Amino acid sequence: NAGVTQTPKFRVLKTGQSMTLLCAQDMNHEYMYWYRQDPGMGLRLIHYSVGEGTTAKGEVPDGYNVSRLKKQNFLLGLESAAPSQTSVYFCASSYSFGNEQFFGPGTRLTVL
Amino acid sequence: SQKIEQNSEALNIQEGKTATLTCNYTNYSPAYLQWYRQDPGRGPVFLLLIRENEKEKRKERLKVTFDTTLKQSLFHITASQPADSATYLCALDRGDMRFGAGTRLTVKP
Repeated sequence: NAGVTQTPKFRVLKTGQSMTLLCAQDMNHEYMYWYRQDPGMGLRLIHYSVGEGTTAKGEVPDGYNVSRLKKQNFLLGLESAAPSQTSVYFCASSYSFGNEQFFGPGTRLTVL
Repeated sequence: SQKIEQNSEALNIQEGKTATLTCNYTNYSPAYLQWYRQDPGRGPVFLLLIRENEKEKRKERLKVTFDTTLKQSLFHITASQPADSATYLCALDRGDMRFGAGTRLTVKP
C-alpha cells in the first residue's frame, strides 16, 4: 500500500497563476485534509472532507478551493496564486473523527 | 481566539534522560488530543491519542497525560535516544484538527 501520496513534490508559480495539488489515499479512509505548514506557525488546516462529495472550511480557507469527487482523491486548487501562499502543503487522511491521521510527504510551493 | 502553545521551540537533553514536552491550550474543548513526530522534510507521523475522559496513555517508552481542567497535556519520552531527535507536535481535535507549532527535541549522546 502506498498510503497517502501527493503530486507534485515541488512547484514554482508566478503571482496570478493557478494550479491544482492532488492527494490520493489507498486506505479507504472517509476523512481527508489539506494543511499548510509555515516556519514557526505549525500546521494549519485549510479545508477538509468527511466523505465523497463533501468539503468544509478549516482555519485558513481563503484563496483555496477543494473538491472530493472520488473517495480516494482530494484536490486543492489555487485560482490566483499569491506570494503569501508560499508554503509546504500536506495532505492527510483518517478513518473517521477521533482517529490518527496519515500524512503525505508534502508539496513545497513557491510563489514568486 | 483559540490558542495552542507548546512549551518551547527547542529542548536539548542527554541520552538516557526523560524528555517532557508541554502542550497548553485556551478557548478550546477538544474531544481528543494527539501527538505526532515530524522529521525534517517529511510529513508528521502519529504517536499517541488520548480522549478527553482519559488521564494517561502509554505506549512503550512514550507517555501522555491530559488534564482538561488545566487545559494541558504532557508528553514524556523515557530513556531517550539520539534517534528520538525530531520535532513533536500536539494536535487538538474536535472535528477540525488544530496543531501547535511544535517542540524540536535534540537528544545528545
